[in-house]
Amino acid sequence: KQEVTQIPAALSVPEGENLVLNCSFTDSAIYNLQWFRQDPGKGLTSLLLIQSSQREQTSGRLNASLDKSSGRSTLYIAASQPGDSATYLCAVIINSGYALNFGKGTSLLVTP
Amino acid sequence: KAGVTQTPRYLIKTRGQQVTLSCSPISGHRSVSWYQQTPGQGLQFLFEYFSETQRNKGNFPGRFSGRQFSNSRSEMNVSTLELGDSALYLCASSQSPGADTQYFGPGTRLTVL
Repeated sequence: KQEVTQIPAALSVPEGENLVLNCSFTDSAIYNLQWFRQDPGKGLTSLLLIQSSQREQTSGRLNASLDKSSGRSTLYIAASQPGDSATYLCAVIINSGYALNFGKGTSLLVTP
Repeated sequence: KAGVTQTPRYLIKTRGQQVTLSCSPISGHRSVSWYQQTPGQGLQFLFEYFSETQRNKGNFPGRFSGRQFSNSRSEMNVSTLELGDSALYLCASSQSPGADTQYFGPGTRLTVL
């Protein structure tokens, strides 16, 4: 069974800092990995999708990397802003199914 | 393009009742998945439909069921509600299963009293 772990569970940083969120998964036979953000009481917003054949994806101030062999992904956020405050979720799809397997998320607070 | 829409947004039911939730995917998307989110368990997969066929099912009791219509809209039904069914139910759509970015709706908040 695929298990997805996200560290840290919570993070508080001052505005302007660069930060890294970590995601690890136990089964390296993944189809793809997706990062989401969730604002309180809301649905999920897709941030980045990395196919299993890719090493990284970038969108604006966000950069996500994928290392299948070590079962790890990182989400790098540059020059953080208070509007980045949210819960960030990592999810993988394994080769044998189509379901997203989610981590418990990292709750990020960026203070002005 | 309009995003994924879910109705209703909020529901309050009592134990033993049944409930039906609706999801309209992004236009052109044929795959719809459902997830349950609770503070204790996080996000858990319920089921996934593609072209009106259930292709994958999570580890939930038979009280949870769903279907997809020819226009890709999907419904999920929970019968004999229990207190533990209180959760945020999220629907996601994609163009095809697995390969593509999944886009989520705002969710339906179900409270069982």
